[in-house]
Amino acid sequence: DGGITQSPKYLFRKEGQNVTLSCEQNLNHDAMYWYRQDPGQGLRLIYYSQIVNDFQKGDIAEGYSVSREKKESFPLTVTSAQKNPTAFYLCASSIGRTLQETQYFGPGTRLLVL
Amino acid sequence: GQQLNQSPQSMFIQEGEDVSMNCTSSSIFNTWLWYKQDPGEGPVLLIALYKAGELTSNGRLTAQFGITRKDSFLNISASIPSDVGIYFCAGHRRGDVNRLAFGKGNQVVVIP
Repeated sequence: DGGITQSPKYLFRKEGQNVTLSCEQNLNHDAMYWYRQDPGQGLRLIYYSQIVNDFQKGDIAEGYSVSREKKESFPLTVTSAQKNPTAFYLCASSIGRTLQETQYFGPGTRLLVL
Repeated sequence: GQQLNQSPQSMFIQEGEDVSMNCTSSSIFNTWLWYKQDPGEGPVLLIALYKAGELTSNGRLTAQFGITRKDSFLNISASIPSDVGIYFCAGHRRGDVNRLAFGKGNQVVVIP
């Protein structure tokens, strides 16, 4: 089955702790994305990567970091600098570099602060 | 990033009724996407539209790419209880490499 997997489903963070959210895709997509979803708001882009070993900041990158060492993997680290990390985090992927941009989403990770 | 305008924000409909929702923008888009999201889950792509005027169906769902390229419509016919969820639109504007704009979503509640 081709798709996007995210783990864990739920994640708890303590004060001052960094946590990493996993995102894997087997769709052979070049581009991958991380979004944050808060109640009553649209999706906000954190980081995106158009190709391996390259990534760009989105609209709300402060307090987050990413890496793209493999085509199929795009982990997101929520650092202690992110003061309001409680949210639903969604990973997405697309073929990339096309005029017909179509993104597919993973099941999401809910991050809660203890 | 740009936000799309979705209306209405929520709707309560009787089972069996049709429901329509729309998404508008001040900019021209070359792709319109419609997603459904269930609570605690990721959005699922329902319909993708790539050409102005295009009308596409997926079962009881029909979506259209507006002629002006600034709007899109989604219609659900003969609603059933499992249609409950949040429906949101997304659009790709020429020049915004790999980036989508999103609407805030419409909450649909189906009353049996």
